[in-house]
Amino acid sequence: SSELTQDPAVSVALGQTVRITCQGDSLRTYYASWYQQKPRQAPVLVIYGANKRPSGIPDRISGSSSGNAASLTITETQAEDEADYYCISRGSSGNHLVFGGGTKLTVL
Amino acid sequence: EVQLVESGGDLVQPGRSLRLSCAASGFTFEDYAMHWVRQGPGKGLEWVAGISWNSGSLGYAVSVEGRFTISRDNAENSLYLQMNSLRPEDTALYYCVKDMSQQEGSSWPSWGQGTLVTVSS
Repeated sequence: SSELTQDPAVSVALGQTVRITCQGDSLRTYYASWYQQKPRQAPVLVIYGANKRPSGIPDRISGSSSGNAASLTITETQAEDEADYYCISRGSSGNHLVFGGGTKLTVL
Repeated sequence: EVQLVESGGDLVQPGRSLRLSCAASGFTFEDYAMHWVRQGPGKGLEWVAGISWNSGSLGYAVSVEGRFTISRDNAENSLYLQMNSLRPEDTALYYCVKDMSQQEGSSWPSWGQGTLVTVSS
């Protein structure tokens, strides 16, 4: 079983708000980073640290954490946000990194 | 502009070895940790290995520990992944990834386009 758990699929209506979650014991200690991956493209970092965005990532995208869970929230969801989203953090032992299984976001 | 160009991917038989390379440019290579991340066909992302800026710290996924070795040559601005005892489940697109810091973290702003490794008889 994966150390970080994500819902396999989430859908959202255009213009609405969606939250994608990532659960795992290591998230009580370590921050998660989030990556967006569109078909046939390399992943793109969208959130890192407590809630930091690399340059070029819109402020519609934000991150948060509480207890053993991290969340990625997208407000005013656009068609271009349709993608797979992956969380990553340290594993339970702390000496390796582990991805969640990914969440496929569909924009309706 | 940061550029990461992977090479070395190929079709290999199970049990054989392969060495991947990543040529880095557009930044001061020796200042940053680097990683290899892979993605099997139709599957999610998997962190494979990471190396700190000065090679003082290395880390591996459980699935590859003891079979794969990550290394770097700061003079040549290059990252490597030596893969031994390859298995069919190692079949994937392998990405070279630049970290944000000197030590291995999970914040990677720059990715290559990947090199394909296929393990099959």
